[in-house]
Amino acid sequence: QQQVKQSPQSLIVQKGGISIINCAYENTAFDYFPWYQQFPGKGPALLIAIRPDVSEKKEGRFTISFNKSAKQFSLHIMDSQPGDSATYFCAASSQKVTFGTGTKLQVIP
Amino acid sequence: DVKVTQSSRYLVKRTGEKVFLECVQDMDHENMFWYRQDPGLGLRLIYFSYDVKMKEKGDIPEGYSVSREKKERFSLILESASTNQTSMYLCASRRGQGITEAFFGQGTRLTVV
Repeated sequence: QQQVKQSPQSLIVQKGGISIINCAYENTAFDYFPWYQQFPGKGPALLIAIRPDVSEKKEGRFTISFNKSAKQFSLHIMDSQPGDSATYFCAASSQKVTFGTGTKLQVIP
Repeated sequence: DVKVTQSSRYLVKRTGEKVFLECVQDMDHENMFWYRQDPGLGLRLIYFSYDVKMKEKGDIPEGYSVSREKKERFSLILESASTNQTSMYLCASRRGQGITEAFFGQGTRLTVV
């Protein structure tokens, strides 16, 4: 049973465009929702995170939108750059950290 | 900087062998995790530990066991390796639970032949 559902599986965006990745969760006990970025050959690294009492968090070009009632959250990457090409994982945390299935983002020049 | 070190980047083992994957963190983190990463399936939790000698099953513990004798070290054991355990294995650690960042190692690419 996938506790955190992520879509799309892959995404191709033009340089300068907006990349949007969506996630949905089921367990209301989750109390922290991080996004991780993974480059080939590397382990995932924290990109940005949000608590469920906040509806939006922005760090530079990266924004998380959080809808607690719908149990959904999304990552928006503004002005997407080729260097953003990576795999992105949403996650939900309580006693353990549960990850989505990942989105492979390719930003083309 | 927090460092999570996995002992091997690449391993090739034979079916039926007992395999040990080692992970060491240097930040005195309480929680440690083992995940396997497969294309299209994301990161799936095998086991986690919230303290020395404590362990909890994750979502896919079958065929695996773990050991945490010291706070900084968390070992994943494949009792009898099978070809369906060919995967990328990732270790992570974090301080406490909930609103804390998990730090990952570089991963171990295990191939079972």
